[in-house]
Amino acid sequence: AQSVTQLDSQVPVFEEAPVELRCNYSSSVSVYLFWYVQYPNQGLQLLLKYLSGSTLVKGINGFEAEFNKSQTSFHLRKPSVHISDTAEYFCAVSPRSNDYKLSFGAGTTVTVRA
Amino acid sequence: DAGVTQSPTHLIKTRGQQVTLRCSPKSGHDTVSWYQQALGQGPQFIFQYYEEEERQRGNFPDRFSGHQFPNYSSELNVNALLLGDSALYLCASSTGDNGGYNEQFFGPGTRLTVL
Repeated sequence: AQSVTQLDSQVPVFEEAPVELRCNYSSSVSVYLFWYVQYPNQGLQLLLKYLSGSTLVKGINGFEAEFNKSQTSFHLRKPSVHISDTAEYFCAVSPRSNDYKLSFGAGTTVTVRA
Repeated sequence: DAGVTQSPTHLIKTRGQQVTLRCSPKSGHDTVSWYQQALGQGPQFIFQYYEEEERQRGNFPDRFSGHQFPNYSSELNVNALLLGDSALYLCASSTGDNGGYNEQFFGPGTRLTVL
């Protein structure tokens, strides 16, 4: 089984400041790793994913994340946020096997203020 | 190209009733997964349908059932509704099993309120 812990439930940040959202996971098997964003009253949109290769992954809208296998972490960063980045962010994992479900963390609410 | 669509967008039911939610997958996709997202929580996997069969199931009671049609669209049925079933129900579609990673594309969800 897999579990995901997002260490911050809410992150307030000023516009043009950097932001980091922390994610740790637990799994007995190798996993793929994901970050999704959810804007109010909408579904989930994939920001980025780690499948293999370089541990630094770049996604859409200027976001990037780094996979750290020894610390079982996959933290999300953006060097300069915009008001439009205000949303809920979810870290998720799925096993590298015939197990197709995504397991999500509880989410981090990012509120960007001018 | 239409993405994943879900209907209805909102639904209000009372305890004990039954509800059916519908999902049409993205063009070219043959696999549909359903997730429940309670308020303030991350989505929880309910089940996945592939080739009209339930391929995998999460920790949900038998009150939750589903179906996939030959055109790959899917329904989620919930019987004997409880107040705790109030949530956003998300559908996600992907391609079939090719032995590797298959990205799941999410629909906008159906907001179910049980009174």
